[in-house]
Amino acid sequence: ETGVTQTPRHLVMGMTNKKSLKCEQHLGHNAMYWYKQSAKKPLELMFVYNFKEQTENNSVPSRFSPECPNSSHLFLHLHTLQPEDSALYLCASSQDLAGLDTQYFGPGTRLTVL
Amino acid sequence: AQSVAQPEDQVNVAEGNPLTVKCTYSVSGNPYLFWYVQYPNRGLQFLLKYITGDNLVKGSYGFEAEFNKSQTSFHLKKPSALVSDSALYFCAVRDPGAAGNKLTFGGGTRVLVKP
Repeated sequence: ETGVTQTPRHLVMGMTNKKSLKCEQHLGHNAMYWYKQSAKKPLELMFVYNFKEQTENNSVPSRFSPECPNSSHLFLHLHTLQPEDSALYLCASSQDLAGLDTQYFGPGTRLTVL
Repeated sequence: AQSVAQPEDQVNVAEGNPLTVKCTYSVSGNPYLFWYVQYPNRGLQFLLKYITGDNLVKGSYGFEAEFNKSQTSFHLKKPSALVSDSALYFCAVRDPGAAGNKLTFGGGTRVLVKP
């Protein structure tokens, strides 16, 4: 295990539902990330947090709302999603935003939007 | 802007044979390069990285990668593949001149090792 956990591992939701994805890292890192992995597309960086502050929003639609209450926890709140949002959502963490720091990934949440 | 290309969608190799997964990159400065592996229904696992120094980098599970600046490549290699190496492999690059720790990933190469 990498020290990064994600819950739930699988989620099925309707377009009108509201749900949240949770990520927790036990590595003492200060930076956390959300990525989207869709079939036949490269990993897409969504959000970056460093010391609880959002440092990057990669033009993500507002139906995705991140929250980082502390350096160990990261949430992704979902509402009124579209079927094309179905994907594997991966959380990662690193010591900080120094370029040579390795990002460690969680197992992902497989999201299906009906 | 930084970019990564993995020219092969899939690589098939017999168990015991050498395995090579290709990666080429484009950055404005000297790159930081990473390889990750993803097993089914799992997240990405870090294999190895090149920051500076020796062009040959050794990583987990017997994998190594060679940084070639003139060819802008960072191919992943394993001398003798195992069936358990069958997975999806991602190359990633970061431009150290850019702010933040933003990695750009290649599209991935699926490796199938046959017994």
